[in-house]
Amino acid sequence: SAVISQKPSRDICQRGTSLTIQCQVDSQVTMMFWYRQQPGQSLTLIATANQGSEATYESGFVIDKFPISRPNLTFSTLTVSNMSPEDSSIYLCSVSQGAQNYGYTFGSGTRLTVV
Amino acid sequence: DAKTTQPTSMDCAEGRAANLPCNHSTISGNEYVYWYRQIHSQGPQYIIHGLKNNETNEMASLIITEDRKSSTLILPHATLRDTAVYYCIVRVRDDKIIFGKGTRLHILP
Repeated sequence: SAVISQKPSRDICQRGTSLTIQCQVDSQVTMMFWYRQQPGQSLTLIATANQGSEATYESGFVIDKFPISRPNLTFSTLTVSNMSPEDSSIYLCSVSQGAQNYGYTFGSGTRLTVV
Repeated sequence: DAKTTQPTSMDCAEGRAANLPCNHSTISGNEYVYWYRQIHSQGPQYIIHGLKNNETNEMASLIITEDRKSSTLILPHATLRDTAVYYCIVRVRDDKIIFGKGTRLHILP
């Protein structure tokens, strides 16, 4: 299965600033996703990162707040913009080869604290 | 989209088999059932997946009922390191997977 490197692993940021999280995969993958996990909660899908086109966002998430890039089949970034304490969460990247019989691999996550 | 229902929490004695149930009564005929676990804020770890037949790997066994409306994940000899939140997930349209609340499994020494 693919190996994911997610950076940074953690950060403490001031409110009103932005943070860009990187997801690097060691092989080309079809699908890339970004999730958020708020403290004590399950994972919530933010968006699907589409290679060469705009990301597809889930209900409740917008591009202005969470701009996503995916310039190629091995790399994606998620930016958390104009941060507030409510954005304090773990953000995770996930990849899949897309076919029904393939599983999904998750990165180790980025633990973000906004102060 | 098919949804899953799991118990909020379960206990299991160390060394015994842990049987985690999942209901997915609205599953479609071509949707797989996936199981993941998350150990204390790490990224979710893949365990096993299946479509119709029972599956076994080095980590666990997956038993899917004939009507596919429910399944059971079996950890044959639970250890303290198996303490985690276990998620039963049905793959949905557009290849996205949506997490439910999962089952918090406590392995008791």
